[in-house]
Amino acid sequence: DGGITQSPKYLFRKEGQNVTLSCEQNLNHDAMYWYRQDPGQGLRLIYYSQIVNDFQKGDIAEGYSVSREKKESFPLTVTSAQKNPTAFYLCASSRQGSGNTIYFGEGSWLTVV
Amino acid sequence: GQNIDQPTEMTATEGAIVQINCTYQTSGFNGLFWYQQHAGEAPTFLSYNVLDGLEEKGRFSSFLSRSKGYSYLLLKELQMKDSASYLCAVRAGGAAGNKLTFGGGTRVLVKP
Repeated sequence: DGGITQSPKYLFRKEGQNVTLSCEQNLNHDAMYWYRQDPGQGLRLIYYSQIVNDFQKGDIAEGYSVSREKKESFPLTVTSAQKNPTAFYLCASSRQGSGNTIYFGEGSWLTVV
Repeated sequence: GQNIDQPTEMTATEGAIVQINCTYQTSGFNGLFWYQQHAGEAPTFLSYNVLDGLEEKGRFSSFLSRSKGYSYLLLKELQMKDSASYLCAVRAGGAAGNKLTFGGGTRVLVKP
């Protein structure tokens, strides 16, 4: 099946720990994105990548890091510098081109304990 | 900068019609998207407008006026399963590329 796979679905982090959220897509999309969603809120862009080995900061990049070594993969690391990491994290991808839809993975819930 | 506004919550009755408005002020414009999101799930694509006018897809329609920075999503013949959040998102394009900027979402509650 084609799609975007995020793992894990649920993750608990102790304060001071780094954690990495996985995102893999087999849609052959060039562009990939990470969004954060807080309860009852809209989506805010963390990082995005339009091509392998290149990525740009979004609106709330502080405390996060990414890599794009392969077209299919765009992992997100939530570092200890992110002070309020508890949220729903959504990975997405799209083809290049202005009319192309962004499709989302199922999301990962991160909770700090 | 980007600013996208939509109402926080709306309530409607099963079988009725609801219109969700979205206004935007962005540094560029290269398309407007509407997504549906059920609680705890990922957003799913509903519609895309890049030219002025109405796009109809079954029970859902979306309208765009670029000169007014305005869009609406119209949901007809409401069903209980339409209870969800509806997200308006704008693609600025240009140097910003394909990324979407989202509004805060409108939670629609459909009552029997």
